[in-house]
Amino acid sequence: GNSVTQMEGPVTLSEEAFLTINCTYTATGYPSLFWYVQYPGEGLQLLLKATKADDKGSNKGFEATYRKETTSFHLEKGSVQVSDSAVYFCAQGGGGGSEKLVFGKGTKLTVNP
Amino acid sequence: GAVVSQHPSWVICKSGTSVKIECRSLDFQATTMFWYRQFPKQSLMLMATSNEGSKATYEQGVEKDKFLINHASLTLSTLTVTSAHPEDSSFYICSATVGVGYEQYFGPGTRLTVT
Repeated sequence: GNSVTQMEGPVTLSEEAFLTINCTYTATGYPSLFWYVQYPGEGLQLLLKATKADDKGSNKGFEATYRKETTSFHLEKGSVQVSDSAVYFCAQGGGGGSEKLVFGKGTKLTVNP
Repeated sequence: GAVVSQHPSWVICKSGTSVKIECRSLDFQATTMFWYRQFPKQSLMLMATSNEGSKATYEQGVEKDKFLINHASLTLSTLTVTSAHPEDSSFYICSATVGVGYEQYFGPGTRLTVT
């Protein structure tokens, strides 16, 4: 079945450091790919998405590119801030996000000043 | 906009009792709502998909008689855990979407502890 594997955390970085969180997927067909973020005490929020191969999703300085050849959707940010501390989930799904989502286990990021 | 609420945010109940969790879309009409379960340090696992006015579709391995889902209106879905047991203790999260092509908006989750 469809699955998502993302790097396990926790990840601890200093402010302004470069961030990469790896995510790979297995799927039949060509799903849409998503990164969700969960800040402490809040619900999951869509951070960015890509709906087809070679698409790049971007938001709030975060980027991820849909790589069909490597079945990957790695999340990157050039300079993290303390406010980026959260749990990040990679996910796949259909219908542009309106259909059921398959999530990775989540990666907790802590950014220290 | 696009806010989804859940009530209660946490609940403790005794083994053998039932507990109801509400999921509401506050500022939009949700044709579809989803219920997920999250174990500590694990990913969210979809339990069921519910469409307004029709029976929920349960994922394989989810007991539909134990986890009753009702989607009575375009803004409300409920999950009832019947005859709860300690192994049902978990974090339950709902999401809602307007429809095909639109993203899911997630509620903040409900922590259920069964003693």
